[in-house]
Amino acid sequence: QKEVEQNSGPLSVPEGAIASLNCTYSDRGSQSFFWYRQYSGKSPELIMSIYSNGDKEDGRFTAQLNKASQYVSLLIRDSQPSDSATYLCAVRSRSGTYKYIFGTGTRLKVLA
Amino acid sequence: EPEVTQTPSHQVTQMGQEVILRCVPISNHLYFYWYRQILGQKVEFLVSFYNNEISEKSEIFDDQFSVERPDGSNFTLKIRSTKLEDSAMYFCASSGQGGQPQHFGDGTRLSIL
Repeated sequence: QKEVEQNSGPLSVPEGAIASLNCTYSDRGSQSFFWYRQYSGKSPELIMSIYSNGDKEDGRFTAQLNKASQYVSLLIRDSQPSDSATYLCAVRSRSGTYKYIFGTGTRLKVLA
Repeated sequence: EPEVTQTPSHQVTQMGQEVILRCVPISNHLYFYWYRQILGQKVEFLVSFYNNEISEKSEIFDDQFSVERPDGSNFTLKIRSTKLEDSAMYFCASSGQGGQPQHFGDGTRLSIL
C-alpha cells in the first residue's frame, strides 16, 4: 500500500519564524510532489510542486525533495498568522497514473 | 485566474436517493478528477477521467458511482443510491496535462440523512 506520511501536528510557530513541514512517502518510484494548503472547510490550494531533487523557492515558500531518503519538506519563511492552515503533501506515483495520494496533513498555527 | 467551480456547495439527501455533483473544470484542461474527504480524514482519490473515459478508479468508486462529461464544459459525479458513509466533502480537480498540478474546486459538502 503506497503511503504518504505527515505529522498531524499542530505545529506552532511564532509570527516571523520559519515553519518546517515534513512528508515521507513509501513508493520509491514516485515522480511528482505537491504541497497544498487547506483552510478549515475549504478546498486544497496548490502552493508548490517539485519534481527534482533539491530546493525550489517561490516567495516565502521553499520545497525540498530528497528522493533517496523519500522525503519532501516545505519551509515557510517569515510565517504569518494567515499561514495558519493544514498543509497537505500529495504524491503522484510512477505507475502510469495521475492520481494523487495525500498525507493526512500537518496543522500549522502561527502565533501572533 | 481560471477556477474549477462546483455546484451545489452543500447537498442534503436522504439515504438511498441519487445525487449528482457538478463541476466545471478549467476550460483548457484535459484531465479531470474526483476526490473525497470525510470529515477529519485525508483526501482520497476516487476517479480520473480523460478523453471521455475513466482512466483510473479507486476501490471506493464502486458500481454506485459514475462520472460523465455530458458536454464540453461540465463534469459530473453521480451516486446512485447514497449511503450514510457517503457523507463527505467531494472535490473536483482538473489539470492541463496528466502530469501537471491539479487544481481543486471549492467542493460540495454531501450530507446523507
